[in-house]
Amino acid sequence: QSALTQPPSASGSRGQSVTISCTGTSGDVGGYHYVSWYQHHPGKGPKLIIFQVSKRPSGVPDRFSGSKSGNTASLTVSGLQAEDEAHYFCSSYSGSNNLWLFGGGTKLTVL
Amino acid sequence: QVQLQESGPGLVKPSQTLSLTCTVSGDSINRGEYYWNWIRQPPGRGLEWVGFIDYSGNTYYHPSLKSRIAISADTSKNQFSLNLRSVTAADTAVYYCARATNDVSSGHPFDHWGQGTLVNVST
Repeated sequence: QSALTQPPSASGSRGQSVTISCTGTSGDVGGYHYVSWYQHHPGKGPKLIIFQVSKRPSGVPDRFSGSKSGNTASLTVSGLQAEDEAHYFCSSYSGSNNLWLFGGGTKLTVL
Repeated sequence: QVQLQESGPGLVKPSQTLSLTCTVSGDSINRGEYYWNWIRQPPGRGLEWVGFIDYSGNTYYHPSLKSRIAISADTSKNQFSLNLRSVTAADTAVYYCARATNDVSSGHPFDHWGQGTLVNVST
């Protein structure tokens, strides 16, 4: 059982939007602005796509956006493209415990 | 372009020591801005942060692994390594090395990862 809770799967048609949730506690997701999201294609290293809840690293398309409400963070992928089909997982640095926590990952299928 | 590459045995016997090395290119592990991490993912489960080493050799480990783990660095080879003692089947996982910024205001995201290496603990 992962420290942060994500739905195991999500899907959407090309061009549509999909939102993936990540639920933690007030000691991690809810208490700090430290949520990051990663895209993971099988056989490759994970790629950082969102940090500090809603910031995008250079080169990440603005179709990827992040937000947070209470103890739940969300990743929204807009204008779904075939190459967005991947696993997505969230992470939060827990300032109270000084360690990183991860979600179990969500497999995104583009129909 | 920063790249990380894990290497090490894919099979370790129970009770023995798991040893992995991460070779970094495109950056120096001596730079003061980053933590150099190990993260693992058991089959069918989520990721678990294992520990890190920083530019000055300071280490920090996951509390559940603290008694069995050691992370070290060889700055001459720009590598850092993981040793995990007394392994059991529960330590079977894909092990990743990853770089994280040590800027606390950024929340320490992992901005570069290796592709991971599967380590099976089995007789």
